[in-house]
Amino acid sequence: AQKVTQAQTEISVVEKEDVTLDCVYETRDTTYYLFWYKQPPSGELVFLIRRNSFDEQNEISGRYSWNFQKSTSSFNFTITASQVVDSAVYFCALVGAGSYQLTFGKGTKLSVIP
Amino acid sequence: SQTIHQWPATLVQPVGSPLSLECTVEGTSNPNLYWYRQAAGRGLQLLFYSVGIGQISSEVPQNLSASRPQDRQFILSSKKLLLSDSGFYLCAWSAVVGNQPQHFGDGTRLSIL
Repeated sequence: AQKVTQAQTEISVVEKEDVTLDCVYETRDTTYYLFWYKQPPSGELVFLIRRNSFDEQNEISGRYSWNFQKSTSSFNFTITASQVVDSAVYFCALVGAGSYQLTFGKGTKLSVIP
Repeated sequence: SQTIHQWPATLVQPVGSPLSLECTVEGTSNPNLYWYRQAAGRGLQLLFYSVGIGQISSEVPQNLSASRPQDRQFILSSKKLLLSDSGFYLCAWSAVVGNQPQHFGDGTRLSIL
């Protein structure tokens, strides 16, 4: 069985602070894919990134960066110089290769205070 | 570019009434389609997925059903709604090949009275 744990239920930061959202996963698959999604207050889920299990390179996209560490089964997400528009619930998700079932974590609600 | 449309945005229904939520995708062919429910507390639960017309897989036993009458149309239905069916329903699509990201619609907030 697969499992995704986002231990941080809610985080509050002051604007311009950096913040890291943690994601730890469990899977028996040797090939799998990890995702991060953003859910703003309006409700839709917005895809942020996909990472496959063979690619452990960290990725940076503007103020967003992702740290994938297979040794610790973690796929953490850092927002640098946070902004109010970053306020949302962020979900980490996992799917095994060839599977259709995306396993989501319970999400981390990020509040960025001006 | 691909777009996904989901309606209605909000719905209030009495217990025991029927339900029909519709989702359509534009700009792609033969997508995988998915229905999720997000109950209060934010967790997302996969309800159904479809890899082709008329092909529906159910992930959890429940009061709901799904149909795919056309390639890019996915419908979530119920004959008699229960209070426990309240929630936020999200439709999603993905490309067929290689565990591509799922892209979500704007969701339907369903309240059962």
